[in-house]
Amino acid sequence: QKEVEQDPGPLSVPEGAIVSLNCTYSNSAFQYFMWYRQYSRKGPELLMYTYSSGNKEDGRFTAQVDKSSKYISLFIRDSQPSDSATYLCAMSANSSASKIIFGSGTRLSIRP
Amino acid sequence: NAGVTQTPKFQVLKTGQSMTLQCAQDMNHEYMSWYRQDPGMGLRLIHYSVGAGITDQGEVPNGYNVSRSTTEDFPLRLLSAAPSQTSVYFCASRRGQWLTTGELFFGEGSRLTVL
Repeated sequence: QKEVEQDPGPLSVPEGAIVSLNCTYSNSAFQYFMWYRQYSRKGPELLMYTYSSGNKEDGRFTAQVDKSSKYISLFIRDSQPSDSATYLCAMSANSSASKIIFGSGTRLSIRP
Repeated sequence: NAGVTQTPKFQVLKTGQSMTLQCAQDMNHEYMSWYRQDPGMGLRLIHYSVGAGITDQGEVPNGYNVSRSTTEDFPLRLLSAAPSQTSVYFCASRRGQWLTTGELFFGEGSRLTVL
């Protein structure tokens, strides 16, 4: 079983919809959680970073961590065609950059 | 700003050939790393470096070598290419080795096919 599970999609929603992307994990020691966005043929770029449990909001994006359920989510409000990309969750048990575990990514398509 | 630059962007090799993937960053970052990305597998760490002269193995180091003679450059060497090394390779850098020192910046990737 993988430490981090992520539905590969593809997920297709109409423009303006609220998108929910999720990851589950098995290692209860994870406490650093990240979401990366990766456009086609490009490298990933950091979207959201949270430490421990709770919510974090940045514009149209909200990251949510539920450590009791070992479940993290990324919500995108008022989705735009420019949000079409692959979204990777990532997490780590300690603050060392060499210990980050990435999910396999969910491919998202926003229909105009 | 250039950020993290990888070359080549595409490469086709025959089994047994060797080659070097180049990575350079102009942000004076201490931490540099190499990942491979395969369908359904996510990003997996191959090797990393926390400064010039210091390297260490990641999750999948076999078949790859690295060195870090300068802060800017972190080349990845494939010693004897195998079809299992067909992948997209990403170089990434961060100001320091700790997550709290800032975000990880990725290059655009190098697509390698081994026949």
